[in-house]
Amino acid sequence: GNSVTQMEGPVTLSEEAFLTINCTYTATGYPSLFWYVQYPGEGLQLLLKATKADDKGSNKGFEATYRKETTSFHLEKGSVQVSDSAVYFCALSGQYQNFVFGPGTRLSVLP
Amino acid sequence: KAGVTQTPRYLIKTRGQQVTLSCSPISGHRSVSWYQQTPGQGLQFLFEYFSETQRNKGNFPGRFSGRQFSNSRSEMNVSTLELGDSALYLCASSNNPGALGETQYFGPGTRLLVL
Repeated sequence: GNSVTQMEGPVTLSEEAFLTINCTYTATGYPSLFWYVQYPGEGLQLLLKATKADDKGSNKGFEATYRKETTSFHLEKGSVQVSDSAVYFCALSGQYQNFVFGPGTRLSVLP
Repeated sequence: KAGVTQTPRYLIKTRGQQVTLSCSPISGHRSVSWYQQTPGQGLQFLFEYFSETQRNKGNFPGRFSGRQFSNSRSEMNVSTLELGDSALYLCASSNNPGALGETQYFGPGTRLLVL
């Protein structure tokens, strides 16, 4: 079945550092790929998504590129802020299939 | 548009009791999915309802059940609560599940504590 693997962290960075959170997936067909973010005490919010190979999703300075050859969808941000501290979930959705989420990566950004 | 709402936000129950959680999806969305989130197991899929029918079910015991009403609002019920049922229960709605790139929109969750 479909699955998502991501680095579990926690990841601790200083403000303005570069962020990479790795995500790889296993899926049949051509899934859509997502990054969701969960701030303390809240539900998950969509951060960005990509629906086909080589698509780049971007939002709030975060980017991820759908790499079919390496089955990856790594999340990057050039300069993190304290307000980016949260848990980040990589997820995929196959056509007519349920969402599958990774275990989440906790990010802490120190001032 | 209002987002996904869940009630109650917090709940404390004792072992053996039963609980009902409610979810109102975004207006116009016909699909509601439920997830259990715990520190140890992460985000686990419970079930999905679409147009009042359960379409998919995760690997949870029969104590976990749900339903969806004609206005797309959904409830989930847990009977004979166990300590391990303590978790954040998240509801997500979408308009056209399974369509390419279709996004799920999450509510804030109901935090259940079983004592």
